[in-house]
Amino acid sequence: EDKVVQSPLSLVVHEGDTVTLNCSYEVTNFRSLLWYKQEKKAPTFLFMLTSSGIEKKSGRLSSILDKKELFSILNITATQTGDSAVYLCAVTSNFGNEKLTFGTGTRLTIIP
Amino acid sequence: GAVVSQHPSRVICKSGTSVKIECRSLDFQATTMFWYRQFPKQSLMLMATSNEGSKATYEQGVEKDKFLINHASLTLSTLTVTSAHPEDSSFYICSARKMGFEGPYNEQFFGPGTRLTVL
Repeated sequence: EDKVVQSPLSLVVHEGDTVTLNCSYEVTNFRSLLWYKQEKKAPTFLFMLTSSGIEKKSGRLSSILDKKELFSILNITATQTGDSAVYLCAVTSNFGNEKLTFGTGTRLTIIP
Repeated sequence: GAVVSQHPSRVICKSGTSVKIECRSLDFQATTMFWYRQFPKQSLMLMATSNEGSKATYEQGVEKDKFLINHASLTLSTLTVTSAHPEDSSFYICSARKMGFEGPYNEQFFGPGTRLTVL
């Protein structure tokens, strides 16, 4: 059974700090790893990673995948209160209709 | 765009009643929709994969007779929670994938969710 573990479970930092969120996984026939931001309702897509070592970047957010260590990180620099959310990591495999297997998420709180 | 809506956004019902939740892709056709459940402070758990015109595929541990899924058209899937009990209280989220997409990854677009409370 595919498994995704995120850490920390929750994180509280001050505005302006940089944070690193972790995601490790066990997947049979890995296809991709995705990061989502969930603020109260539906998750919104951030990144999809399929290759090791290639950083994806969007503004203050960046992410990288290590397929050897089965690990990904999501970095957020110069955090803002609007970054407060639950960040979800999910994986897909080449089996099972590309379904998403989610981790438990990291609840990030940014204090002004 | 790729907008997915859900109706209702919130429902409260009595134990033993059935509740239907709709998931619609508003500006695209979706051959595949997914239904997730999320308990408080927990992650999304896939319940079933719904394919237009065929039976849904349920994940292990999800009772298909309790959670009835109908995907009657390319823009609508419904989830009916039959004989709901308090332990079914949860946040139900659907997602949809575009039909005919040929890129490297066919993204799932999520609906805003439906919060079900069973008294």
